[in-house]
Amino acid sequence: QSALTQPPSASGSPGQSVTISCTGTSSDVGGYNYVSWYQQHPGKAPKFMIYEVSKRPSGVPDRFSGSRSGNTASLTVSGLQAEDEADYYCSSYAGSNNHVVFGGGTKLTVL
Amino acid sequence: QVQLQESGPGLVKPSETLSLTCTVSGGSISSYYWSWIRQPPGKGLEWIAYISYSGSANYNPSLKSRVTISVDTSKNQFSLKLNSVTAADTAVYYCARGDNPFDYWGQGTLVTVSS
Repeated sequence: QSALTQPPSASGSPGQSVTISCTGTSSDVGGYNYVSWYQQHPGKAPKFMIYEVSKRPSGVPDRFSGSRSGNTASLTVSGLQAEDEADYYCSSYAGSNNHVVFGGGTKLTVL
Repeated sequence: QVQLQESGPGLVKPSETLSLTCTVSGGSISSYYWSWIRQPPGKGLEWIAYISYSGSANYNPSLKSRVTISVDTSKNQFSLKLNSVTAADTAVYYCARGDNPFDYWGQGTLVTVSS
């Protein structure tokens, strides 16, 4: 199984929207409704932001949304705030054995 | 509020076995899956394995030959053993609840492989 592909970096100004992509294959992102997204600030553990492609856990602002088209999942952060500056990772089930694969991560910078 | 805490040696010699335990508090280990995930310094996340409370395990194929995950419901703990470690196994090791998604995470523990 290969890591999912994410852009290394993304950026936007406060108040703007930014979208981070996560590209896999029909054996992972495109084949399961189990794509998740995590936010990680420096030196901290990842925080669970999105599950099952587009669902938000309790407590996650509705500025964060998830979607998928074919083998590519996306995380959109609307109304960017300084506190959104962090690394973001996607994950998915992969293969028929329900292994798990992560994306390489995207560093989001708020300009 | 569920909390997870990793424990174990922070330094392991090459070729030896890395052993970590995750203690779950604020909730029962039953009825969930539990995972180990690692992050080498400056790099991304890598899933290692997950296990159900009943002991059914699933491993990352790239690590499967060296990894064992186990659960002790009486102590509300689960554990990781990684044998024949090398410098490439140096990482922050996280324990987490779930098998994707991972909804609760420990703070992580840095394990360095060095002689």
